[in-house]
Amino acid sequence: EVQLVESGGGLVQPGGSLRLSCAASGFTFSDYWMSWVRQAPGKGLEWVANIKVDGSEKYYVDSVKGRFTISRDNALNSLHLQMTSLRAEDTSIYYCIQGGMPTGWFAQWGQGTLVTVSS
Amino acid sequence: DVQMTQSPSSLSASVGDRVTITCRASQSISRSLNWYQQEPGKAPKVLISAASTLQSGVPSRFSGSGSGTDFTLTIISLQPEDFAIYYCQQSNSIPYTFGQGTKLEIK
Repeated sequence: EVQLVESGGGLVQPGGSLRLSCAASGFTFSDYWMSWVRQAPGKGLEWVANIKVDGSEKYYVDSVKGRFTISRDNALNSLHLQMTSLRAEDTSIYYCIQGGMPTGWFAQWGQGTLVTVSS
Repeated sequence: DVQMTQSPSSLSASVGDRVTITCRASQSISRSLNWYQQEPGKAPKVLISAASTLQSGVPSRFSGSGSGTDFTLTIISLQPEDFAIYYCQQSNSIPYTFGQGTKLEIK
């Protein structure tokens, strides 16, 4: 059974940083692209970033380019999202996802971790 | 960026009804369209990929169709567990974008 468990969310002040992690199990992590998708409270879904199986390609939504960095550790079956210069509009539940490319759809989702940016 | 517009934004229906949700892309996306269901307090779940391919384990009362810019999700014989929010998502080009969602409520 695929399991994706996010951690690292919490309350952070505007301009601050946070690192999200996702522990993956139940599948061969190094065979899959991975993604982050976020959802502001009571709002819709927004794709944030993708990373290729070996980490050699990364893609970001414009609103986080230069501030967020997606990375992975295939030896530890983990996915990360380093977030800097956080803004109030980054407040969301962040979901770790198996998939995103090359299939294009988000096959398996974690339960999400809430990031709140507020003073 | 490809803009995705769903209609309606909300929909009331009864158990046993047939409902259709529409998703329109701002430019042609071929058949690169996926549908998700999100139950309250849960993560979304993919229902349909590539416009019409039912994901494993998804009941056959769900179906998808369309290509180019216009797509539909149809649910026949609504069940109580189907009352949720539905999102479309295009995977034709980065950035992947979602529709704003359709809330399906019990009448």
